[in-house]
Amino acid sequence: DSGVTQTPKHLITATGQRVTLRCSPRSGDLSVYWYQQSLDQGLQFLIHYYNGEERAKGNILERFSAQQFPDLHSELNLSSLELGDSALYFCASSVAIGTNTIYFGEGSWLTVV
Amino acid sequence: DAKTTQPTSMDCAEGRAANLPCNHSTISGNEYVYWYRQIHSQGPQYIIHGLKNNETNEMASLIITEDRKSSTLILPHATLRDTAVYYCIVRAYSGGGADGLTFGKGTHLIIQP
Repeated sequence: DSGVTQTPKHLITATGQRVTLRCSPRSGDLSVYWYQQSLDQGLQFLIHYYNGEERAKGNILERFSAQQFPDLHSELNLSSLELGDSALYFCASSVAIGTNTIYFGEGSWLTVV
Repeated sequence: DAKTTQPTSMDCAEGRAANLPCNHSTISGNEYVYWYRQIHSQGPQYIIHGLKNNETNEMASLIITEDRKSSTLILPHATLRDTAVYYCIVRAYSGGGADGLTFGKGTHLIIQP
């Protein structure tokens, strides 16, 4: 158990809908990262928040957004969902940035039908 | 971050040492070598990391060549549960790293009974 908690574990929704994935980082971790893993792509970095501030963006679509709240939990919002958004979404956390070890949650399986 | 090259797949007999190579010939002086693994559709699991010295922990050993252009992850007594995709990642020291980890395709290690 990495200490990173993600909910929900599984989610099935229809095209055009909006979902929110939630992440609680390890106790004391200020950095939260979001990754997407689909069948045909590897693990793709989406976005990084540190202590409530956005620090880096990767291959995140404009239909997706994220935020980190004062209690350090984070949410990834996915809107206007398409079939191609079906994927595993991982949240990860680390104490800070730089070379602090990053720990991953078990992921949220999103299926868009 | 420097690019890494790993074999696509490897087999190892149960109980033997599994030696997973990684080439990172363009690594910079401020970049660490990290190893993660992902057991089917679970969250990536941190294994070990190092800068230039060899490292050992309860999971594995990391051997980094003197010129730092390659490294080897050693699982001393592989079990069936070690079957996973293993990722070798180089990551800049503090000041960078806001993107977290950049995953390649990794090595699919299959432990044979």
